[in-house]
Amino acid sequence: DVKVTQSSRYLVKRTGEKVFLECVQDMDHENMFWYRQDPGLGLRLIYFSYDVKMKEKGDIPEGYSVSREKKERFSLILESASTNQTSMYLCASTSGGPDYEQYFGPGTRLTVT
Amino acid sequence: AQSVSQHNHHVILSEAASLELGCNYSYGGTVNLFWYVQYPGQHLQLLLKYFSGDPLVKGIKGFEAEFIKSKFSFNLRKPSVQWSDTAEYFCAVNARAAGNKLTFGGGTRVLVKP
Repeated sequence: DVKVTQSSRYLVKRTGEKVFLECVQDMDHENMFWYRQDPGLGLRLIYFSYDVKMKEKGDIPEGYSVSREKKERFSLILESASTNQTSMYLCASTSGGPDYEQYFGPGTRLTVT
Repeated sequence: AQSVSQHNHHVILSEAASLELGCNYSYGGTVNLFWYVQYPGQHLQLLLKYFSGDPLVKGIKGFEAEFIKSKFSFNLRKPSVQWSDTAEYFCAVNARAAGNKLTFGGGTRVLVKP
């Protein structure tokens, strides 16, 4: 059974803080993704990675960066958090091509005050 | 860039009613299509997917979806809903030329009254 875990379910940070969101998957998946989920907007892709140390921008990368030093771990970094980054952040992973199912973590609800 | 539209943001219906959720996308090339569901307090999970073959796809829990290429649509249906179908439903599209990227619709919240 695939498991994708995220470091925190809820996080409250102040404007300007550096924020790290961690995601770990236990199924040796090559591909990992970070999305943000906002009401009425669905999920929007921030960044994805198809291999260790490889990353590609998604649709809304501004204000975010990522790190993938190990295959099982994919980190999302907010260099200087802003209130418009208050959102639910979802991590996902998949083993194969684009027709493969993505497995999602439980999400981190981030509030920036 | 592709986009995905889900026509209804909120749907309320009674148990045993039929459900149809609309999904349209705006990409002219070959696509893979998905419906994901998020039950209250749970992870997003795959309901069904289409990538080739029979355009009528059956998924888990009695759901099905039909791919109509000429209408750029992939509507989700269930003939008789249950209270446990209360959830948020997301349509997602992968344009094969875009590699592994998925584009999601805005989601439809479905509330089934007992």
